[in-house]
Amino acid sequence: EVKMVESGGGLVQPGGSLRLSCAASGFTFSSKFMTWVRQAPGKGLEWVASIKPDGTDKYYVDSVKGRFIISRDNAKNSLFLQMNSLRAEDTALYFCATDPNWDSSWGQGTLVTVSS
Amino acid sequence: QSALTQPASVSGSLGQSITISCTGSSSDVGGYNFVSWYQQHPGKAPKVLIYAVTNRPSGVSNRFSGSKSGNTASLTISGLQAEDEADYYCSSYIDLNSWVFGGGTKLTVL
Repeated sequence: EVKMVESGGGLVQPGGSLRLSCAASGFTFSSKFMTWVRQAPGKGLEWVASIKPDGTDKYYVDSVKGRFIISRDNAKNSLFLQMNSLRAEDTALYFCATDPNWDSSWGQGTLVTVSS
Repeated sequence: QSALTQPASVSGSLGQSITISCTGSSSDVGGYNFVSWYQQHPGKAPKVLIYAVTNRPSGVSNRFSGSKSGNTASLTISGLQAEDEADYYCSSYIDLNSWVFGGGTKLTVL
């Protein structure tokens, strides 16, 4: 059974940092393209970042470039999102997911709240 | 990259069919055969209904079908059931391993 569990969310002040993690199981993680997608409260889905299976190439939505870093540890079947210089508009439920072009699998999400 | 355009809401009666549209441009929906559709119930993670325009994952009811014409993709749900009431999102590949989602459509089953 494919399973992905996000963690690391919480309340952080504007300008602060958080590191999200996604623990994957039930599939060959090292061969999968991985993404982070977020959903602001009451709003729609937004693609945030993606990383190739070997971790060599990373892609970001313009609004997080220079502030967020996506990474992975294939030995530990884990995906990460380092979020720096957080803003109120980054407040959202963050999902990890496999390649959106195919039959993707999604975690349940971890909530990030940026507020003073 | 602007979000894909979906109707904010649609409704249909039990047993009827409805179609949700997802309009983009030649840079996204029209340029790639990588449109996916997701169903999201309140407080739940999105669930893939359709991928690569027309493909249905195993376990997804054949009442759900996808299509595309030009820059507009569509999701059709036939034989509406009460449990189909949810939010629906489309997504499209937009080059350089990036994606864009639609704004979402709230389906009400009457």
